[in-house]
Amino acid sequence: DADVTQTPRNRITKTGKRIMLECSQTKGHDRMYWYRQDPGLGLRLIYYSFDVKDINKGEISDGYSVSRQAQAKFSLSLESAIPNQTALYFCATSDSEGTASVDSNQPQHFGDGTRLSIL
Amino acid sequence: AQSVAQPEDQVNVAEGNPLTVKCTYSVSGNPYLFWYVQYPNRGLQFLLKYITGDNLVKGSYGFEAEFNKSQTSFHLKKPSALVSDSALYFCAVSAPYNNNDMRFGAGTRLTVKP
Repeated sequence: DADVTQTPRNRITKTGKRIMLECSQTKGHDRMYWYRQDPGLGLRLIYYSFDVKDINKGEISDGYSVSRQAQAKFSLSLESAIPNQTALYFCATSDSEGTASVDSNQPQHFGDGTRLSIL
Repeated sequence: AQSVAQPEDQVNVAEGNPLTVKCTYSVSGNPYLFWYVQYPNRGLQFLLKYITGDNLVKGSYGFEAEFNKSQTSFHLKKPSALVSDSALYFCAVSAPYNNNDMRFGAGTRLTVKP
């Protein structure tokens, strides 16, 4: 989805390095997410944010941190990368859910991913 | 927490034949169910969702899914497969008004052969 842009698309780095993955969106959505994808495991949620001042841990937040610099930008950092953080990372966005709305739980829109390899 | 299972890692069908990709779920309360498709080197794309209403949900690219509460299943179907349908398919579930905690299945790779 070109409306959700991730940079870089590929990154190879060494153990112990600090890495930042960036995500920007033009969809105007309030909610942003970071996932990692591993073969045979599907996607697992790392962090999510409902708006600029809201940050929440997901299923697997240890070893990661995030920053929501603006409504349109959500970055993921690995403070000291380790090999088992080698994975495909996806940013996603979704619209806010209306209260008492039948059509709540809006679908998520994904970027094309960042393939991260840690040696 | 909610979860989904996709019992088949791989599904192979011939072009023109019907296809089914299976998904079962576990959630407390009424489920919100989704199907996404992933093409090579791309992010996931939304296909369809079930929130409430008719058990048969129609989505993008001719796909549909059937919600079965008694069997806790949400299988993805298409009457006539195309080679271009070959991709990785993910089922996902979230709890009502809480799609920040969406759980994805491990994925099923669909291969449609000419």
